[in-house]
Amino acid sequence: NAGVTQTPKFRILKIGQSMTLQCAQDMNHNYMYWYRQDPGMGLKLIYYSVGAGITDKGEVPNGYNVSRSTTEDFPLRLELAAPSQTSVYFCASSYSAETQYFGPGTRLLVL
Amino acid sequence: KNQVEQSPQSLIILEGKNCTLQCNYTVSPFSNLRWYKQDTGRGPVSLTIMTFSENTKSNGRYTATLDADTKQSSLHITASQLSDSASYICVVRYRNNAGNMLTFGGGTRLMVKP
Repeated sequence: NAGVTQTPKFRILKIGQSMTLQCAQDMNHNYMYWYRQDPGMGLKLIYYSVGAGITDKGEVPNGYNVSRSTTEDFPLRLELAAPSQTSVYFCASSYSAETQYFGPGTRLLVL
Repeated sequence: KNQVEQSPQSLIILEGKNCTLQCNYTVSPFSNLRWYKQDTGRGPVSLTIMTFSENTKSNGRYTATLDADTKQSSLHITASQLSDSASYICVVRYRNNAGNMLTFGGGTRLMVKP
């Protein structure tokens, strides 16, 4: 199993640009999550999904959108990038609401 | 406000020494507490999970304790190795109207030197 994969690894965006962070898992997990981690801070939950077709807001959803059309994929969309969205983004998945498996992260810089 | 605070923020120890990391939380109602290890540039990896009734749980050289009365947890690392250099994150799960939620601590950055 590849586990949780994320692309790209690193991206630089200009203010106002849009992009999609990709996340995929091949473990047939129902639950998937998007977190952001700012330097020296804890992870904050952006959005999560408990199954295909179901998504819910987390702690910091503003400026982001997600979709879950398949069990495997959980893309995160930034429509109008802002400097405040400069962060490292982690995707995670879990079979139940317990042990989460994290991807390697996407480092995003908005200038 | 549900919070998880970790101390120290950073720690440097010599290889072979022991260390203890602290996690205090105000999260309620408590479901469980998990310690993660996050290597630089990687995603977190789960070390231990503790429920309300568990006081101590070990995973190799890692031993986690939980005092649900004082809302404190610790992670003790025995005979540290260079590969223990990482950030250690305490995560507390609780329930609210939206269901199960997670609150992450800011982490303790551990550096093990030869």
